[in-house]
Amino acid sequence: KQEVTQIPAALSVPEGENLVLNCSFTDSAIYNLQWFRQDPGKGLTSLLLIQSSQREQTSGRLNASLDKSSGRSTLYIAASQPGDSATYLCAAYPNLNSGGYQKVTFGIGTKLQVIP
Amino acid sequence: DTGVSQDPRHKITKRGQNVTFRCDPISEHNRLYWYRQTLGQGPEFLTYFQNEAQLEKSRLLSDRFSAERPKGSFSTLEIQRTEQGDSAMYLCASSSASGRVPYEQYFGPGTRLTVT
Repeated sequence: KQEVTQIPAALSVPEGENLVLNCSFTDSAIYNLQWFRQDPGKGLTSLLLIQSSQREQTSGRLNASLDKSSGRSTLYIAASQPGDSATYLCAAYPNLNSGGYQKVTFGIGTKLQVIP
Repeated sequence: DTGVSQDPRHKITKRGQNVTFRCDPISEHNRLYWYRQTLGQGPEFLTYFQNEAQLEKSRLLSDRFSAERPKGSFSTLEIQRTEQGDSAMYLCASSSASGRVPYEQYFGPGTRLTVT
């Protein structure tokens, strides 16, 4: 059974700092790895999706990397802003041959606070 | 493409009442998922439909829960005799084997249920 762990559970940084959020997964035979943002009481906003054949994806100040062999993904946020304050979740898609109908396994998230 | 929609966005109900949520997936998506997210946790898989067939149910889905997807279009999730432990965010996602990223799940805004 896939397990996804996110470290740290919470992070507080001053505005302008670069930061890294970590995600690890126990079954390295994943299909996709996706990062989401969630504001309090709201739904999920997709940030970046890395397909199994890719090593990283970039969007603006965000860069996500994937190392399947070590079971790890990182989300790098450059020049953090107070508007980046939210919970960041990573989610692992099972391998297409796993027979699990592609249900996604989520971590519990990292709660980020960027202080002005 | 208007995205995945869910209705209602918020529901407050008294313990013991029945509630029903609706999810409208992206129109060409034949796969539909329900997830539940409790406070401080990541979303957890509840059930999966491929077209109108419900192919997998989590053990989290007790016999008070029932889901349908008539004609393979919208889906409903009903909770009978609600309990305080049912308070959570209920998220719907849809996907397709075709598209830019096969099997990528697109999430709706969620329905937040509060049982008093």
